[in-house]
Parts: sequence; C-alpha cells; structure tokens
Amino acid sequence: QKEVEQDPGPLSVPEGAIVSLNCTYSNSAFQYFMWYRQYSRKGPELLMYTYSSGNKEDGRFTAQVDKSSKYISLFIRDSQPSDSATYLCAMSEDFNKFYFGSGTKLNVKP
Amino acid sequence: DGGITQSPKYLFRKEGQNVTLSCEQNLNHDAMYWYRQDPGQGLRLIYYSQIVNDFQKGDIAEGYSVSREKKESFPLTVTSAQKNPTAFYLCASSIGEYNSPLHFGNGTRLTVT
Repeated sequence: QKEVEQDPGPLSVPEGAIVSLNCTYSNSAFQYFMWYRQYSRKGPELLMYTYSSGNKEDGRFTAQVDKSSKYISLFIRDSQPSDSATYLCAMSEDFNKFYFGSGTKLNVKP
Repeated sequence: DGGITQSPKYLFRKEGQNVTLSCEQNLNHDAMYWYRQDPGQGLRLIYYSQIVNDFQKGDIAEGYSVSREKKESFPLTVTSAQKNPTAFYLCASSIGEYNSPLHFGNGTRLTVT
C-alpha cells in the first residue's frame, strides 16, 4: 500500500466551479500537510501547508485536514482556466522526509 | 530574486554516458533534495543533504551520485549504472528546520537513448 493515495483524474470542470481535490494516507504520524501546483514542464509550486488538523484559507484556496480519517482536501473556489494544472499533495512527520501523492490533473474549461 | 535554478532544462545523452545535472539555490537553505518524477507516479527521493559535506541516500539512490561541497550547490550525476534514467528530475531545498516545506526548481528533463 502506498503511503499517500491521490486520484490521478483528469478532473474537468467549468470556469467558476468549486473544485475539490483529495488525498488519503496511511501513516498516522504525519503532522504536516502540503499542496503543490505543477504546470506542465515546470517544478511544483507550494500553494499551502498546514499543521495537524483543521482548515486553512488563502484567497480562493482552502486546505482541510481530517487526521481521524487520514484524509486531506484542497478546495478551489471560483476556479479559473489558469488553475488548470496538476495538484500534488505531500506530507511529512517532521519536515525531514516528504511523501507525495501522484498528482491530480485539473482542467478548468472557459 | 531568490530561488532554485536547475540547468539545463532539457538534456539528451547516449546510453552508457554519465551526465551531471546542476542545481543552485540562493535562498540560504541548509537542506537540498533530488527527486525523480515519472508519469503516474509520485515524486521519488533520490538523495538529500541536510548540511554541507554530508548527504544521505533516498529511496531510489542506485545509479546516482551527488556531492555537497557548497551550501548553494547540489549536483546530481546520473551514471551508466542507472537502468532507466529517462525522467524529469527535480531539485528542492528547505530551510531545514521545523516548519519548513520544500521549494522546487523548474526541473531538468533527461532523455537517454
């Protein structure tokens, strides 16, 4: 079983839709949770990171962590065509070693 | 402008040749990492270094080598012993302390034929 599971998509939504991206994990010791956005042929760009459970909001993006279910989500409100990219989740116990999902490809149609 | 620079963006080599990928950062980060990205797979850790002159193997170190002679630089050599070297290689860095996520460069696409 992989440490982190992420649906590869692709996920296709109309512009303005609310997008929900998710990851599940197996290691209950993970405390730090990150979301990265990766455009084609580019490196991943850090969007948000959270510690432990709860929600964190930054503009149109909300990260949510449910440690009891070992499940994390990223919500994108009012999605734009420029949000079209692959979204990677990542996790760590102590910021020493990181575990990544395989990424979900998102396509926002104008 | 602070960041991580990987060069070249695209690299082509013949099978049997060693090749070195460059990674330079001016973020004053202590820790540096090399990942490999293949389609449909998560990022896989090749090597990492928490401090100058010290580095550790990651999950897929076989066929790769690194050095960390300067804080700013962490070059990766893909040797002829690496069975399947064609991939997208990503260099990353972090402050190396508590509460410090990874920041990535824009990658090098290596094609070996």
